[in-house]
Amino acid sequence: AQSVTQPDIHITVSEGASLELRCNYSYGATPYLFWYVQSPGQGLQLLLKYFSGDTLVQGIKGFEAEFKRSQSSFNLRKPSVHWSDAAEYFCAVDTGPGGGADGLTFGKGTHLIIQP
Amino acid sequence: NAGVMQNPRHLVRRRGQEARLRCSPMKGHSHVYWYRQLPEEGLKFMVYLQKENIIDESGMPKERFSAEFPKEGPSILRIQQVVRGDSAAYFCASSRTGTKEQYFGPGTRLTVT
Repeated sequence: AQSVTQPDIHITVSEGASLELRCNYSYGATPYLFWYVQSPGQGLQLLLKYFSGDTLVQGIKGFEAEFKRSQSSFNLRKPSVHWSDAAEYFCAVDTGPGGGADGLTFGKGTHLIIQP
Repeated sequence: NAGVMQNPRHLVRRRGQEARLRCSPMKGHSHVYWYRQLPEEGLKFMVYLQKENIIDESGMPKERFSAEFPKEGPSILRIQQVVRGDSAAYFCASSRTGTKEQYFGPGTRLTVT
């Protein structure tokens, strides 16, 4: 069965500094990959996705992620964080066949804290 | 274009009562997914439904939990005889046919007392 690992439970970054959140997956092939963000008490917002093609994908709010097949990783990056980026970040995979969506498998999340 | 709607946002039930959680997908979406988020854990997939059909219920507990997505109206996640361990946030997501993106609702936070 597939699994997703987010090794960092908490990360603290100073405002204006760069950010990288790690995500590794375990699956026999390349899954469909997603990053979601969850603010306290809210639902999840899709930041970006990777299906195929260019391994560096751009998302909303200035985020980007790079897919590395050799490392089974899909790390999320942002060059300069803002206080409003403080939230919980989830990496997720869809391993279902076909073009439609199947149930996502999520990592446990990384809690991002922004220091002033 | 309204997003995924869930109600109620907060639900308190005593042990042994029934909980009914509702989800209205985004306009044009005919696929609904339910997830549960327990404290200190990530989200766990429960069930995937299309109109009048359960496609994948591999993540549903075998007892007390059921889900439906009727031809008309919202999708319903029903939990019978709730126990304290059912206290969690329940999220619904929807997608359009032929696409992989899922869009999430704000969730229903269930508290069992």
